[in-house]
Amino acid sequence: QVQLQQWGAGLLKPSEILSLTCAVHGGSFSDYYWSWIRQSPGKGLEWIGEINDTGSTKYNPSLKSRVTISIDTSKNQFSLKLSSVTAADTAVYFCAKGRTIFGVVTPFDTWGQGALVTVSS
Amino acid sequence: DIPLTQSPSSLSASVGDRVTITCRAGQDITNYLAWYQQRPGKVPKLLISAASTLQSGVPSRFSGSGSGTDFTFTISSLQPEDIATYYCQRYDTAPWTFGQGTKVEIK
Repeated sequence: QVQLQQWGAGLLKPSEILSLTCAVHGGSFSDYYWSWIRQSPGKGLEWIGEINDTGSTKYNPSLKSRVTISIDTSKNQFSLKLSSVTAADTAVYFCAKGRTIFGVVTPFDTWGQGALVTVSS
Repeated sequence: DIPLTQSPSSLSASVGDRVTITCRAGQDITNYLAWYQQRPGKVPKLLISAASTLQSGVPSRFSGSGSGTDFTFTISSLQPEDIATYYCQRYDTAPWTFGQGTKVEIK
């Protein structure tokens, strides 16, 4: 049974870089794509991007210019960086287990606990 | 992006009532549609995948149907613990998108 544990800075100033990390416990780390999703009152749930163990990424076009998702296979962890944050990036950020690497598309069946990130001057 | 239009945005029903939520995709997504439940302050929980496949451990009063562009989520007999916001999500092609949510309250 896969479990996701996430952490990172919760209070940022405008223009700073948001940085979050998610550790994957249990299951097969290399068999899936790992995603970041955020939830803000104004925009609901928004998929940010995903990565697999080879470092192959997909990003939401709406955020692509500011997002970097990376992976550390030695620690079974993946990370999110979002640059030039503004108040509009204030949200709860979730990591989640997504589709398999074998071409089977699946929804997000396992989520991290969520982390509130507030951007304020 | 393929838009998802979920309705209603909120509803109020009595315990034991049948509750129905709809989700419409902007183009054919076959059956690549999921439904999630998010209780207040909690993480979204996957209830249904492939439009109608109930996840293990999910009560049978929850069901989903539809294919193509039109989908329905039903709670056959609303219970107090069903108070939550429900979201649809398409997962046919990236970027994966969610509906705007339906907040379900007890009347």
